[in-house]
Amino acid sequence: DGGITQSPKYLFRKEGQNVTLSCEQNLNHDAMYWYRQDPGQGLRLIYYSQIVNDFQKGDIAEGYSVSREKKESFPLTVTSAQKNPTAFYLCASSIGPTGYEQYFGPGTRLTVT
Amino acid sequence: QKEVEQNSGPLSVPEGAIASLNCTYSDRGSQSFFWYRQYSGKSPELIMFIYSNGDKEDGRFTAQLNKASQYVSLLIRDSQPSDSATYLCAVTGANNLFFGTGTRLTVIP
Repeated sequence: DGGITQSPKYLFRKEGQNVTLSCEQNLNHDAMYWYRQDPGQGLRLIYYSQIVNDFQKGDIAEGYSVSREKKESFPLTVTSAQKNPTAFYLCASSIGPTGYEQYFGPGTRLTVT
Repeated sequence: QKEVEQNSGPLSVPEGAIASLNCTYSDRGSQSFFWYRQYSGKSPELIMFIYSNGDKEDGRFTAQLNKASQYVSLLIRDSQPSDSATYLCAVTGANNLFFGTGTRLTVIP
């Protein structure tokens, strides 16, 4: 089955710890995205990547880092510098960067205490 | 001004009625428009896309686009309780999509 996988589904961490969220796709899509969603709010773009070894900051990149070493994978690290990391994190991919629909993974719910 | 605006709702309709969801956008250069459905606690699921002015129908769903007025709408005919969800409107930007905050729809049995 083609699709986007994110792991884990739920993640709990203590303050001050870095944590890495996994995102893998087997759709052969070039572009991948990370969003954050807080309760009752819309999607906010953290980072996006249009091709391997290249990525761009979104609207709320501070406290986050990414890598894109393989076309299939786009992991997100939430660092201790992120002031309010508890949120629902969504990874998405699209065939190309502009004008194309994005498909979402199931999401990772991160709780930091 | 936000790039994409939606009425947050909640919008309540009785089962079997038509639900009408609206979205306005600010960038006249936007070319592609999408509707996503998001159930509580789940990720968004693409249900419709439209590129040209006019209507596009897919089953019980109809997307309507008016580029001159910069609005896009989603009609759901014969609404079912399973349609109860938040509906997100998305519009293409320079390198990605701009999402609205969503309209919460409740279909009352």
